[in-house]
Amino acid sequence: QVQLQESGPGLVKPSETLSLTCAVSGYSISSDCYWGWIRQPPGKGLEWIGNIYHSGTTYYNPSLKSRVAISADTSKNQVSLRLSSVTAADTAVYYCARRTAVAGNFFDYWGRGTLVTVSS
Amino acid sequence: DIVMTQSPDSLAVSLGERATINCKSSQSVLYSSNNENYLAWYQQKPGQPPKLLIYWASTRESGVPDRFSGSGSGTDFTLTISRLQAEDVAVYYCQQYHTAPATFGQGTKLEIK
Repeated sequence: QVQLQESGPGLVKPSETLSLTCAVSGYSISSDCYWGWIRQPPGKGLEWIGNIYHSGTTYYNPSLKSRVAISADTSKNQVSLRLSSVTAADTAVYYCARRTAVAGNFFDYWGRGTLVTVSS
Repeated sequence: DIVMTQSPDSLAVSLGERATINCKSSQSVLYSSNNENYLAWYQQKPGQPPKLLIYWASTRESGVPDRFSGSGSGTDFTLTISRLQAEDVAVYYCQQYHTAPATFGQGTKLEIK
């Protein structure tokens, strides 16, 4: 059973960098699939942030591309997200999720999410 | 970006009745090369992550009850719950994955009447 668990600071100051980790169990991140990050501001809808392919190739939402970096650590079987120069608008629940390689950019397994609040 | 617009924003349906949620995309999400609609539906219950229900507009994810069905093509899509059960109370989202960036609808909140 594929399981994903996000972790990281729940509070980040404005202008600083948000850093989150997604630990994957029950599935190797080196397998032929993508790992994505999606966020959801409190009480609002979903926004795709980006994906990383098992090869390390990354794909980002153009609206966030200048501030986002997604990486993978195969030795730890985890994926990471960094979002720089955060503002209050980046306050959201951040989810990591799996996208299979053979299908389209939709997500079949999700972590429970972690709330990140941007505030001084 | 492709804008996904769902209707209605909220919906109240009696137990055992049919619930219908609509999703309209600002551009077609049908790929003519493979005749597939790049459209997915998710269910999100309070405090939980989204759960994949439907992909390719009408393919039910493994384990999803057959009372959930998806239909439509091009720019207009529908999620139908044929016999509403109490556990179906949730917010439902459509998502297009035809054109990057993937985008979601604003969500439809489904409640029991």
